[in-house]
Order: sequence, then C-alpha cells, then structure tokens
Amino acid sequence: NAGVTQTPKFRILKIGQSMTLQCTQDMNHNYMYWYRQDPGMGLKLIYYSVGAGITDKGEVPNGYNVSRSTTEDFPLRLELAAPSQTSVYFCASSYWMGRGTDTQYFGPGTRLTVL
Amino acid sequence: TQLLEQSPQFLSIQEGENLTVYCNSSSVFSSLQWYRQEPGEGPVLLVTVVTGGEVKKLKRLTFQFGDARKDSSLHITAAQPGDTGLYLCAGENGNQFYFGTGTSLTVIP
Repeated sequence: NAGVTQTPKFRILKIGQSMTLQCTQDMNHNYMYWYRQDPGMGLKLIYYSVGAGITDKGEVPNGYNVSRSTTEDFPLRLELAAPSQTSVYFCASSYWMGRGTDTQYFGPGTRLTVL
Repeated sequence: TQLLEQSPQFLSIQEGENLTVYCNSSSVFSSLQWYRQEPGEGPVLLVTVVTGGEVKKLKRLTFQFGDARKDSSLHITAAQPGDTGLYLCAGENGNQFYFGTGTSLTVIP
C-alpha cells in the first residue's frame, strides 16, 4: 500500500492564480482531511469528508474548496491564491469507528508559496 | 475554535535526561492524541487516550490524560537522539481534530 499520496510536493503561485492539490489514499478509509501547517501554529483543519459525496468545513475553510467524488480522492482547490495561503498542506485519512478509535495517516505534504 | 496550548515550545536536552511536555486547553475533548513529526514529513500517531486519568506507556514514553479530559502530558525517560522531532497533541471532538502548537524537541548526543 502506498498509503496517502499528495501531489505536487512543492509549488510557487502568483497572487490570483488557482491550483488543485491532489490527495489519494489506497486504504479504503472513509474519512479524509485537509490541514494547513504554518510555522509555530500547529495544524489547522481546512475541510474534511466522512465519505464520498459528503464534505464539511473545518476551522479555516475560507479561500478553499473541496470535492469527494470517490473514496480514494480528496482534492483541495485554491481559486484565487493569496499570500496568506502560503503554508504546508497535509492530507490525512482514517477509518472512523467511534471515539478514540481514529488513527489518521498523513501524506508527506505540499509546500505552497504564494508571491 | 478549541485552542490547545503546548509547553514548552522548544526544548533542547542532553541524551539520557528526562523531560515532560504539556498540552493544555479550556475545552473538554472526547479523546486526545499525540503525534511526532519529523522535518519534511507528515505527523505520525504515537498514542490515543480516551478516559480521564488514563495513563499509557510506549517504551520510554508515558502519556497521561487529565481527569477532566482537558489536558495531557507526555513524559520521556532517558531521552535519545532518535526522540528528536516535533511533538503535537490533538484533541478530538465529533469528527474534528484540534492540534496544539507543537513542542520542538532536540536531544543532543
């Protein structure tokens, strides 16, 4: 199993450009998450999905969109990139069976810089 | 927003020393997790604690969940260079996880 894979690993965007961060998992997990990690700020949840066709906002959803058409894929879309979106983005997946049972498996991250 | 504060933010110790990292919040969590993250990689789960007052041991690492399920601690005995990394706590409520600010640990040989 490859686990959770993310592409690209690095990207530089100009202000106003758009892009999609790709995330794929091969563990048949029902839950998937997108986080951003800023220096000294820990991880913040952007969006999450409890299954194909179902998504919900996390703590910091503004400026992002997601979709989940399949169990495996959970892309994150930035429509109008802003410098405040410079960060490292992590995708994670888990098999949710109730409180205390969730183990999130993280991808290697995408380092995004907006200039 | 459910804030989790970790202390200390940075810690540099000699090999063989003991240390404790704290994770505190004013919110109650259903469960709490500890992760370790190495540079350029995603976090990796170390442990999940669920019951107030619960203590779990993982070799030289001891994790405790506060009685009120608002705080947690991680104690490392006889630290080794391989323990170097960023330690993150994460509180779970519903389907969401709220991560702490992290403790960067460096163990000097």
